[in-house]
Amino acid sequence: QQPVQSPQAVILREGEDAVINCSSSKALYSVHWYRQKHGEAPVFLMILLKGGEQKGHEKISASFNEKKQQSSLYLTASQLSYSGTYFCGTGEEDSNYQLIWGAGTKLIIKP
Amino acid sequence: NAGVTQTPKFQVLKTGQSMTLQCAQDMNHEYMSWYRQDPGMGLRLIHYSVGAGITDQGEVPNGYNVSRSTTEDFPLRLLSAAPSQTSVYFCASSTGFGELFFGEGSRLTVL
Repeated sequence: QQPVQSPQAVILREGEDAVINCSSSKALYSVHWYRQKHGEAPVFLMILLKGGEQKGHEKISASFNEKKQQSSLYLTASQLSYSGTYFCGTGEEDSNYQLIWGAGTKLIIKP
Repeated sequence: NAGVTQTPKFQVLKTGQSMTLQCAQDMNHEYMSWYRQDPGMGLRLIHYSVGAGITDQGEVPNGYNVSRSTTEDFPLRLLSAAPSQTSVYFCASSTGFGELFFGEGSRLTVL
């Protein structure tokens, strides 16, 4: 039961904002967000735990709606370095160590 | 500061051959895991370990074996390689339920 990420891809101009969504049909304990550039390993962005806590990391923030089992990643004033594929990994209530990953959202930032 | 080291980075096998992907971490992390990444499918968990001597199956364990004799090492063995195992493999470690530190990846092609 892979979480569903949307959109699958998005193209932005530098300075524009983007929202990436991650939705699961399972009861979640956590949502993890990673960014991967082509040919490289995924890099950690943030973890959100059950409780609806919103987290921030410079101009990248995220929210977790535990009632809807949804998380959103917000990228504001996008920079060229934000380009890459964004993945959400979901941890379920009874299997925290087994993250289930979405298929990814490809983000392209143009100058 | 090596982090997570995977070897080899590239490997070509013939169908039926066996091989071992090596993974070592120097951060004293208890949790280690192996993922495979295929185009359009995100990361899928193969096997994971929560400590030396303890391993468990993930989503796609068939055709792979693991062992965890030390905290540092977590090798992944392909028993009899098949073309369906052509993929990019990532090893990751963490202190527990937190940020995953990934190795650089091993690109495997099975002919």
